[in-house]
Amino acid sequence: DTEVTQTPKHLVMGMTNKKSLKCEQHMGHRAMYWYKQKAKKPPELMFVYSYEKLSINESVPSRFSPECPNSSLLNLHLHALQPEDSALYLCASSLFPDLNEKLFFGSGTQLSVL
Amino acid sequence: QKEVEQNSGPLSVPEGAIASLNCTYSDRVSQSFFWYRQYSGKSPELIMSIYSNGDKEDGRFTAQLNKASQYVSLLIRDSQPSDSATYLCAATSPGAGSYQLTFGKGTKLSVIP
Repeated sequence: DTEVTQTPKHLVMGMTNKKSLKCEQHMGHRAMYWYKQKAKKPPELMFVYSYEKLSINESVPSRFSPECPNSSLLNLHLHALQPEDSALYLCASSLFPDLNEKLFFGSGTQLSVL
Repeated sequence: QKEVEQNSGPLSVPEGAIASLNCTYSDRVSQSFFWYRQYSGKSPELIMSIYSNGDKEDGRFTAQLNKASQYVSLLIRDSQPSDSATYLCAATSPGAGSYQLTFGKGTKLSVIP
């Protein structure tokens, strides 16, 4: 199994809604990431989990709340989002949180906030 | 601030030609470099990684790294229409207690049949 699986693939939510994005990998990777990508822009790092602990938070607003229940799962809880938060949200994983490790991306969740 | 610069393109090449994609980076302590391919509406897919100076070949792809010039390139030989995509250059640098992968803005490649 060499996949990073993200659900849902598409999500439309209102500014008062609460929703969650899910990410799963069964490659034994110990580092997992959330990236945000706007159209025609590169991915921007949001959070990094190393060995199930949050190691990097790139000054992301508190309306985004990450969670890593175990080494295979990564969630991103969304609450009171703004229309400018509409983007492609990408989950990625790497074997270790190391400089030379390759990141493998999931197919992403296309989020629209109305 | 760590930056990775790429020519946004679009870069158009005829089918069968060599496509040359270039990237420069600002952080001298960057150690690892990656090329990702991203089709429109899809997620990035890792194509090549390179860690030391010189060339690294994998099939039709060759990555080149020159740390003294802070320059990374990707050559695609015998370009195919299916290679048409945005190519993202990325560099990894050590940070406080961890590391960061910084992406360039990407170069859009069009291979003309």
